[in-house]
Amino acid sequence: IAGITQAPTSQILAAGRRMTLRCTQDMRHNAMYWYRQDLGLGLRLIHYSNTAGTTGKGEVPDGYSVSRANTDDFPLTLASAVPSQTSVYFCASSDGRQDTDTQYFGPGTRLTVL
Amino acid sequence: GQSLEQPSEVTAVEGAIVQINCTYQTSGFYGLSWYQQHDGGAPTFLSYNALDGLEETGRFSSFLSRSDSYGYLLLQELQMKDSASYFCAPHPGNTDKLIFGTGTRLQVFP
Repeated sequence: IAGITQAPTSQILAAGRRMTLRCTQDMRHNAMYWYRQDLGLGLRLIHYSNTAGTTGKGEVPDGYSVSRANTDDFPLTLASAVPSQTSVYFCASSDGRQDTDTQYFGPGTRLTVL
Repeated sequence: GQSLEQPSEVTAVEGAIVQINCTYQTSGFYGLSWYQQHDGGAPTFLSYNALDGLEETGRFSSFLSRSDSYGYLLLQELQMKDSASYFCAPHPGNTDKLIFGTGTRLQVFP
């Protein structure tokens, strides 16, 4: 089934621990994105990748890192989690067209940092 | 700078028509997208306007006025399942990415 998968679905994490959120797409999309969504703050872009091998910083990149070793996978790593990183994380992909840039979202990962 | 404004909440009854407005200010502009997100779900693409005017897709229509930096989403014959958050997302173009604001929460009552 074509689309985007994310893992885990949810996670409770102790502060200071390292965590990697996984994202895989099978649509051969060039561009991929990581957003966080917090109540009252909408969707905020953390990092993005226009194509395999490249990454860029979004609006709220601090405390997060990404890599894009191939077209399909775009993991997001929290090196040392803090409670303010408690959020719902969405991965998305698009064909990278500059005009429409229609994005397809994964189901999300609900992360709680205690 | 870049900014985006849409109402935080709208309520309506089943069968009614509702319009969700969006005004934006961006460094450049390719077009305006709309996304729907149900509680607990992921955002899904609804529509895209690159040119001025109205685009209709079933019960949903989206309008754009580039000169006014304004758009709206029109939902007709409202159904309970339309209760969701709706995000307008201008695309500034060039290397800038879609801008998602805080969205408009639509509540449809019986």
